[in-house]
Amino acid sequence: DAKTTQPPSMDCAEGRAANLPCNHSTISGNEYVYWYRQIHSQGPQYIIHGLKNNETNEMASLIITEDRKSSTLILPHATLRDTAVYYCIVRVANAGNNRKLIWGLGTSLAVNP
Amino acid sequence: DSGVTQTPKHLITATGQRVTLRCSPRSGDLSVYWYQQSLDQGLQFLIQYYNGEERAKGNILERFSAQQFPDLHSELNLSSLELGDSALYFCASSIRLGSADTQYFGPGTRLTVL
Repeated sequence: DAKTTQPPSMDCAEGRAANLPCNHSTISGNEYVYWYRQIHSQGPQYIIHGLKNNETNEMASLIITEDRKSSTLILPHATLRDTAVYYCIVRVANAGNNRKLIWGLGTSLAVNP
Repeated sequence: DSGVTQTPKHLITATGQRVTLRCSPRSGDLSVYWYQQSLDQGLQFLIQYYNGEERAKGNILERFSAQQFPDLHSELNLSSLELGDSALYFCASSIRLGSADTQYFGPGTRLTVL
């Protein structure tokens, strides 16, 4: 039922940029792409979201392709504390036009010293 | 700290029992969401409330029910518990119902059914 596809795992060296890809080829025109992360059984943490334009905040950058079928989350200087499962999510509207987030299994990012 | 609180943090009970999980949303947030996360699984959306009314339903079992009170806190009731109900239960809140609706998650309640 997931509407996004992410690699199950990735590695990144500490201090380097981590680029996490996500495919969401069935995204609707007015649907946002959200990124969250979850550090070992803690509550998921919001990172960033976007619609069409690239976005940047203090945590990360989000690059969305022009056709909106894929996106990349960039952690510019990964640290050991960025080791987590990263979820790329799109909202799905149900019959009542109430939207819900569909969560896949995410990408398990390991940042190595 | 997201501003969302959940109690209790841990809960251990037996099969057949009933438990209530509590969630207090961030100040000003009107929407509350409940999720279940079983071991090594993604989050499964259960149900959403907005300003006291149910707005969306996911994979919530009939043995489970929820409500949101006038002060906007929410409770998730799980009854006739089974071993497979052991999981992390997360509550999230957001300010509105619109298309850009960032959810902020609580620390979760870990339920163990023995």
